[in-house]
Amino acid sequence: EVQLLESGGGLVQPGGSLRVSCAASGFTFSSDAMSWVRQAPGRGLEWVSTISGSGRNIYYADSVKGRFTISRDNSGNALYVQMNSLRAEDTALYYCARLEVTRGIFDIWGQGTMVTVSS
Amino acid sequence: DIQMTQSPSTLSASVGDRVTITCRASQSISNWLAWYQHKPGKAPEVLISKASSLESGVPSRFSGSGFGIEFTLTISSLQPDDSATYYCQHYKTYPLTFGGGTKVEIK
Repeated sequence: EVQLLESGGGLVQPGGSLRVSCAASGFTFSSDAMSWVRQAPGRGLEWVSTISGSGRNIYYADSVKGRFTISRDNSGNALYVQMNSLRAEDTALYYCARLEVTRGIFDIWGQGTMVTVSS
Repeated sequence: DIQMTQSPSTLSASVGDRVTITCRASQSISNWLAWYQHKPGKAPEVLISKASSLESGVPSRFSGSGFGIEFTLTISSLQPDDSATYYCQHYKTYPLTFGGGTKVEIK
């Protein structure tokens, strides 16, 4: 079964750090670009970051550039995002998603993990 | 950066109605446009890729059209299960962006 399962969300103080993980199964993880997409409470979807299958190509939204780092472990079928210098506006449900580049779509999504930045 | 503007932000329609949602890009994106359906508590699901290609398993009442700057998602006969928020998303260049969303309610 094709599946993405996020973990690691929680409550963190402003200025703090958190690492969120995504475990993939059911497809050839190392071949596929992967992304993080978030949704703040009451807001729409926002693309956060994408990493190519090899890990060589990485892209970030301006809102997280310099603070978030995306990475992957192809041997363990895992995707990560290290979030530093967290702000209240980073509070959101963070989804892991596969980016199918030939059609330009996020075709597989996890259920999301909630990150709350608050004192 | 390419901005995606959706309209309307909300709409209310009856079962069986034809519903159209518009998405406008701030510059040409060719046909690099996808549509998603998002229900509360669930992950988003892709409906349409490349502006007009219906994804596998998506009911045929959904259709997409457009090229360049203006795109539409049409639901030919609205069903109760279609109550959701719909988003467009471009894949022309990075950064990728989503439209602001259209919440579809059933009267």
